Amino acid sequence: QKEVEQDPGPLSVPEGAIVSLNCTYSNSAFQYFMWYRQYSRKGPELLMYTYSSGNKEDGRFTAQVDKSSKYISLFIRDSQPSDSATYLCAPADFGNEKLTFGTGTRLTIIP
Amino acid sequence: ETGVTQSPTHLIKTRGQQVTLRCSSQSGHNTVSWYQQALGQGPQFIFQYYREEENGRGNFPPRFSGLQFPNYSSELNVNALELDDSALYLCASSAQDTFGELFFGEGSRLTVL
Repeated sequence: QKEVEQDPGPLSVPEGAIVSLNCTYSNSAFQYFMWYRQYSRKGPELLMYTYSSGNKEDGRFTAQVDKSSKYISLFIRDSQPSDSATYLCAPADFGNEKLTFGTGTRLTIIP
Repeated sequence: ETGVTQSPTHLIKTRGQQVTLRCSSQSGHNTVSWYQQALGQGPQFIFQYYREEENGRGNFPPRFSGLQFPNYSSELNVNALELDDSALYLCASSAQDTFGELFFGEGSRLTVL
């Protein structure tokens, strides 16, 4: 079993829709939960991070963590064509130097 | 402010050869991490360097080695290349006190024939 599982998609939705992206993880030590966005032919860039369980909102993006079920979500409201990218979840435990990335979900927003 | 730069952007090698990839970290960052991203997969952690010393290593064999220089730039060396080493190699820099916030370069695309 992989430490982090993420549906690779691809996922296509019409512009303006709400997008839900999800990951599950198995390592109980994970306390930090990052979402990275990767455009085609580019390196990943940090989108958001949360610590422990709960929600965090940043503009059109909301990150949600449920540690009891080891479930991570990223919601995108009012999706735009510019949101078309691969979204990678990356949980980590403090004191461990590495990030453990999911496979990434390829998202396309159709104008 | 200069971001993370990597070279070369693309290269082709044959099985058994050796390769060196280079990375210049973002200004003010003293930590460099290397990741391997196979096609359709998420990045996998190779190792991290902090103040010129290895500071954590992923599940990669010893033929993957690295260096960090006093100016915090870094090299990734891979010996005895195998076909499965074909991937995008990503370098990421970070400041020591910003856990999880990595700044990635655009990567070096390695093809092994």
